Amino acid sequence: GAVVSQHPSWVICKSGTSVKIECRSLDFQATTMFWYRQFPKQSLMLMATSNEGSKATYEQGVEKDKFLINHASLTLSTLTVTSAHPEDSSFYICSASFAKQALREQETQYFGPGTRLLVL
Amino acid sequence: DAKTTQPNSMESNEEEPVHLPCNHSTISGTDYIHWYRQLPSQGPEYVIHGLTSNVNNRMASLAIAEDRKSSTLILHRATLRDAAVYYCILRDIRGNEKLTFGTGTRLTIIP
Repeated sequence: GAVVSQHPSWVICKSGTSVKIECRSLDFQATTMFWYRQFPKQSLMLMATSNEGSKATYEQGVEKDKFLINHASLTLSTLTVTSAHPEDSSFYICSASFAKQALREQETQYFGPGTRLLVL
Repeated sequence: DAKTTQPNSMESNEEEPVHLPCNHSTISGTDYIHWYRQLPSQGPEYVIHGLTSNVNNRMASLAIAEDRKSSTLILHRATLRDAAVYYCILRDIRGNEKLTFGTGTRLTIIP
């Protein structure tokens, strides 16, 4: 159980275009979803946290107008990279968790397989 | 968030046990110790977590020092599929759900 999918798995686009990445929790309802970015040979860096039906919380240094996050349902969050440029080329990974108040210490995050974005 | 320190890389022979260390000398009483691993070109996956007592699951064991300032992830019998970057992460139960990834330990399995 606890499977998270991402679509597309990879995308190549021209500079200046916008790219939408979907993250879905397939067999559970995700109260919270997270978006990470990972450059080659580096660790994951959290971009933003989103809760269903509310605005995403962005990490310091992440432009919210450039990386639009929508979390319209408990099973779907989308990340749109607007006006993509070559420096946005990266591996984008989402994760999801389902919080149970009484068992908060048991929360784990379930990660998607990632989306590799290449901006030419 | 309290910081963790891990060796950059480790090697182990296939079918032998692997002990991956993690130091977290500034851990607080409400920090859980989580381990995730990331196989090449994939998203991370949860391995195990614990608070004070040693923990076992089908993937690994987690040995936590009595003073909680360090822990060790134990893979009992490494296979080639265990080659990955292993991340030791502290999460405060009182805080939000964010995971802060460090650089992790790149584990290479030698056939």
